Order: sequence, then C-alpha cells, then structure tokens
Amino acid sequence: QVHLVESGGGLVKPGGSLRLSCAASGFTFSDYYMSWIRQPPGKGLEWISYISVSGNVIYYADSVKGRFTVSRDNARSSIYLQMNSLRGEDTAVYYCARMYPSSYYYFDSWGQGTLVTVSS
Amino acid sequence: QSVLTQPPSVSGAPGQRVTISCTGSSSNIGAPYDVHWYYQLPGTAPKLLIYGNTNRPSGVPDRFSGSKSGTSASLAITGLQAEDEADYYCQSYDSSLTGWVFGGGTKVTVL
Repeated sequence: QVHLVESGGGLVKPGGSLRLSCAASGFTFSDYYMSWIRQPPGKGLEWISYISVSGNVIYYADSVKGRFTVSRDNARSSIYLQMNSLRGEDTAVYYCARMYPSSYYYFDSWGQGTLVTVSS
Repeated sequence: QSVLTQPPSVSGAPGQRVTISCTGSSSNIGAPYDVHWYYQLPGTAPKLLIYGNTNRPSGVPDRFSGSKSGTSASLAITGLQAEDEADYYCQSYDSSLTGWVFGGGTKVTVL
C-alpha cells in the first residue's frame, strides 16, 4: 500500500524559511517521479515542483522559482522542499504526490498534507 | 486564475446526472495532453478519480466517466449520490508552462 507522509509545516514569518519532508513507503520509491502540490486555504490546487527519479531533472512553477528547491534521497525514500523567502501567498497545505508514468503523468497517490502558514 | 477552466459549482438531485466541464487550450488539453480528474472531500487530500481521459482506477464506481474532445474535457456523474458531494479538479500538462496544471475546482452539491 502506497503511503506518503509530509512533515515540517508550521508558522513562519514573511521572509523566513522552512523545509518540508515527504517520506514514502509501500512502493519502490526510486522508480517514480514525484511532485509537490499546494492548496491555499479555501482555494484550488497548484502544482509547484517536480523531480525526476534520479533528481537530475527538476521543474518549478513560476510562483516559486528561485525561492523553493526540491530534492530527493532515494536511499531514504524521501523528497524535500526547501522554501526560502516565504510570502503570505505561500500559505497553503502542501502535498507530496507520486506521479504515475503514463498519460503524460498523473498524481496517483497523495500524502495527507502539511500546513504552512506565513504570517507575522 | 487557473489555466484550466471549470465551473465553480454544479448541483443535482439524488439519482440525477451532472457534468463538469474543463476547458483548456492548444498548449495543454488540445496539445493533446491527457486529462485526469480528482475528487476531494473537505479536510482530506485529493484522490485520483479518472486518468487518461476516460479510465477509472480500481475501486471507482462506473457512475463516474470522463471524456475529452479538442481543448475540453468533461466528467459525468450518473445516479448522483449524497457521498458524491465533494470538490472535483481536472488536471493536465501544459507545454508552454513546462508543468502540470489544474482547473480551479468544481463543488458538487447534492440537493
């Protein structure tokens, strides 16, 4: 059974930093691309970052490019999201999601999410 | 402003059929990249509902069906049930953005 567990969320001041983690289990982690997706309170879903199996191909949404950095550790079956220069508009629940390699990829498994609140 | 456009809400009585549209452009749905659908109950994570335009993952009732034509896609729910009340999101890939995009979401209300 695929299991994704995010952690690291919390309250941070504008301009601050936070590092999110996503621990995976129940599947061969090193075989799958992964993404981070966020959802501001009461709003819709926004894809923000993708990382390939080896970590050598990474994409970001324009909204976080230059501020967020995604990485992965296949030995620990984990991905990470380093978030710097945080803004109020980054307040959201952050989900990690497994990407199924078909149909130009879709998100077949999601974690429960971790809430990041950016406020002074 | 989402790249994919969905109606904010749809509603129907139990047993009725409702449809949710998802309109994109030539750089995503019309490219043609596949459309996928997710549903989300309040306070929970999204779950995959339809993948590859028309396919249901194991465990998804056949009351849910997807279709795609040109730059648009649709999700249909037949025999609407109370437990279908949720938010529904379409998703595709966008080549001009080099990333994955979602619709703004549609809230389904069972009257």
